[in-house]
Amino acid sequence: DAGITQSPRHKVTETGTPVTLRCHQTENHRYMYWYRQDPGHGLRLIHYSYGVKDTDKGEVSDGYSVSRSKTEDFLLTLESATSSQTSVYFCAISESWDGQFFGPGTRLTVL
Amino acid sequence: AQKITQTQPGMFVQEKEAVTLDCTYDTSDQSYGLFWYKQPSSGEMIFLIYQGSYDEQNATEGRYSLNFQKARKSANLVISASQLGDSAMYFCAMREGRWAGTALIFGKGTTLSVSS
Repeated sequence: DAGITQSPRHKVTETGTPVTLRCHQTENHRYMYWYRQDPGHGLRLIHYSYGVKDTDKGEVSDGYSVSRSKTEDFLLTLESATSSQTSVYFCAISESWDGQFFGPGTRLTVL
Repeated sequence: AQKITQTQPGMFVQEKEAVTLDCTYDTSDQSYGLFWYKQPSSGEMIFLIYQGSYDEQNATEGRYSLNFQKARKSANLVISASQLGDSAMYFCAMREGRWAGTALIFGKGTTLSVSS
């Protein structure tokens, strides 16, 4: 299994508070991604990174920012959490064309 | 238009039977890859199988095979000899183009229930 961890695994927060989710990998993979999973939508891309300090927006990036200062870490920040951001967040990594591997997920609830 | 379509919200099968989970895709790229993932009730996303658009043979991984029909733009997952542990949500996904960094586009998933 790919070495990918996400922290925290569960978080409950209040509307308007900032939240940062962390993804850490030990595989030295170049590409990293943040997806969110909601019922009826499958997984949708929030942001991705193609190298240290190189990031770009995905399909549902509004309200989210990311940073990647080291190869192994990819942070997702909700500047001011809203109830619509209640979701399960998955980090994924990739190095080759034929694989993409997921972390265990973070369940975020915004009250 | 959806890029990945999984038309079966739920499928029911008995142990030891084979089951086919449908996936159709839409792309104008000549180079692309197709993936299947399993998500059990515990929530993790488990990579099952990959098929490249130029691969001539259907991909197989143990009890999983991908029935790739390029002209029909379908990439169905076949699970032979179903087991109780196969009960899960299954997602089909596509990566377009040849850049390894391209993110995946997911279908909405099919829930498979295996009974004894």
